[in-house]
Amino acid sequence: QKEVEQNSGPLSVPEGAIASLNCTYSDRGSQSFFWYRQYSGKSPELIMSIYSNGDKEDGRFTAQLNKASQYVSLLIRDSQPSDSATYLCAVMNAGNNRKLIWGLGTSLAVNP
Amino acid sequence: DTGVSQNPRHKITKRGQNVTFRCDPISEHNRLYWYRQTLGQGPEFLTYFQNEAQLEKSRLLSDRFSAERPKGSFSTLEIQRTEQGDSAMYLCASSLTGGANIQYFGAGTRLSVL
Repeated sequence: QKEVEQNSGPLSVPEGAIASLNCTYSDRGSQSFFWYRQYSGKSPELIMSIYSNGDKEDGRFTAQLNKASQYVSLLIRDSQPSDSATYLCAVMNAGNNRKLIWGLGTSLAVNP
Repeated sequence: DTGVSQNPRHKITKRGQNVTFRCDPISEHNRLYWYRQTLGQGPEFLTYFQNEAQLEKSRLLSDRFSAERPKGSFSTLEIQRTEQGDSAMYLCASSLTGGANIQYFGAGTRLSVL
């Protein structure tokens, strides 16, 4: 079992729809959770961070965390073609030198 | 621009040659990380510095790889006797102790070993 798992996709949604991205992790000691967006050939760019159970909203993005289920998700509302990218889930355990453990990423395509 | 600078952006080398990459973190950040990413994969942790001390190195990392962070400022990653399997994007990230544990990434160095 991989430490951080994501559906590889591709996930395809029409413009204006809600895109839902999911991530599960195996380390119950993880405390910090991040969603990064990565365009082809570019480096990861932080979209959202979440540290406690529940929802966190920032503009069109909502991160959801459920530590009991070891599950974190990202919702993108009113999806735009510019949201087309790979979304990487990363998990951190402060007792592990705070290095990020990454999923493989989910490819999202938003169709005009 | 996150403020983390990596050079060069691209490097093409022949198998067996040595290469060195540089990372300049955000100036007040004391933590510095190197990751490697191949196509279709998430980044993979390579090594971690807190100030000038290298506190962790991935067990998967070959002895051909070495990293330094003299004076706790910029860092270099050297690969000796490169192999085709070393072809990847090498990413540097920095963060500040405490706070939100957010790592900011540079643009990366893409290495192609022919």
